[in-house]
Amino acid sequence: AQSVTQLGSHVSVSEGALVLLRCNYSSSVPPYLFWYVQYPNQGLQLLLKYTSAATLVKGINGFEAEFKKSETSFHLTKPSAHMSDAAEYFCAVSDRFTGFQKLVFGTGTRLLVSP
Amino acid sequence: EPEVTQTPSHQVTQMGQEVILRCVPISNHLYFYWYRQILGQKVEFLVSFYNNEISEKSEIFDDQFSVERPDGSNFTLKIRSTKLEDSAMYFCASRDTGLYQPQHFGDGTRLSIL
Repeated sequence: AQSVTQLGSHVSVSEGALVLLRCNYSSSVPPYLFWYVQYPNQGLQLLLKYTSAATLVKGINGFEAEFKKSETSFHLTKPSAHMSDAAEYFCAVSDRFTGFQKLVFGTGTRLLVSP
Repeated sequence: EPEVTQTPSHQVTQMGQEVILRCVPISNHLYFYWYRQILGQKVEFLVSFYNNEISEKSEIFDDQFSVERPDGSNFTLKIRSTKLEDSAMYFCASRDTGLYQPQHFGDGTRLSIL
């Protein structure tokens, strides 16, 4: 069965600092991987997705993630944090070989940005 | 940009009552999903729906749950006899055809069972 592990339920950074949110996946087949962001009282918004093209994926709001098969990782980064980045971030995995592709989510990481 | 819309945003229901959560997926999407998020826990898959039938369901999706696409635009989740543990945020999602298409989520319905 597929699974996703997000290390760190909370990550705190200062405005302007590097953001690094960690995600490791477990899958017996090459997966699709996603990062979603959830702002307070809102739904899940897609940040970026990996679907086996380039291993470095660029998303919205300056975020990017790198797929590393050898490390089974898909960490999310942003060079310089903004106050508006404060939210909860979810990594998710999906099996590319099934047509319906349910998402399996990690437990989420809350990003706190201080001035 | 097209959105998935969910109504109501907050539903309060007495235990044992039936509840229907409504979703309007993005108009040209053919794959539909329900997920739930119990407070403080991860987002969990409930069910996927395609071509007017359930394509996959989780262990959570027992006989108390049902889904329906009553017309060309709505997608509903019904809980027949609610329990306290059904209290959660319920998210609807839809996806376009094609293996690389991501799921687009609504803002969710917060269901509170008293």
